[in-house]
Amino acid sequence: QKEVEQNSGPLSVPEGAIASLNCTYSDRVSQSFFWYRQYSGKSPELIMSIYSNGDKEDGRFTAQLNKASQYVSLLIRDSQPSDSATYLCAVNSPGSARQLTFGSGTQLTVLP
Amino acid sequence: NAGVTQTPKFQVLKTGQSMTLQCAQDMNHNSMYWYRQDPGMGLRLIYYSASEGTTDKGEVPNGYNVSRLNKREFSLRLESAAPSQTSVYFCASIMTALNTEAFFGQGTRLTVV
Repeated sequence: QKEVEQNSGPLSVPEGAIASLNCTYSDRVSQSFFWYRQYSGKSPELIMSIYSNGDKEDGRFTAQLNKASQYVSLLIRDSQPSDSATYLCAVNSPGSARQLTFGSGTQLTVLP
Repeated sequence: NAGVTQTPKFQVLKTGQSMTLQCAQDMNHNSMYWYRQDPGMGLRLIYYSASEGTTDKGEVPNGYNVSRLNKREFSLRLESAAPSQTSVYFCASIMTALNTEAFFGQGTRLTVV
């Protein structure tokens, strides 16, 4: 089992729809969770971080964390073509030597 | 406000040549990482350094070596480049124990012919 798993996609949604991206992790003592967006040919950039159970909203983005289920998700409301990118889930486990583990990413395409 | 600086941005090597990718961060971060990313794929960890003086293998270490020269710098060396090492390489750093985000360099696009 991979430490951080994401649906590889690709995921396509029409403009204005809600895009839902999912991530599960295996290390129960993980403490912080991040969503990065990566445009083709560019470095990943942080768009959301979440540390406690529940929802965290920032503009059109909502991160959801359920530590009991070891599950974190990202919702993008009113999706725009500019949201088309690869979204990477990252998990920080302070107890591990590696600290930070990335999922393989989900490619999102928002269709005009 | 440099953050993480990677050099070079682009490189073309012939099979068998060697080169070193340089990475430096000015944020006093403890942990540093080298990833490779192939087309349509996610980040794959090559090596990481949890602190100055320590390095550990990641998922795909074969054909690479690393040096954590000091707290700021973490270099990646290809001793004998192979076409399979054609990829985009990213360096990243993080302040451990504070659950903060990772910062990335701008990437190095390497082609081995």
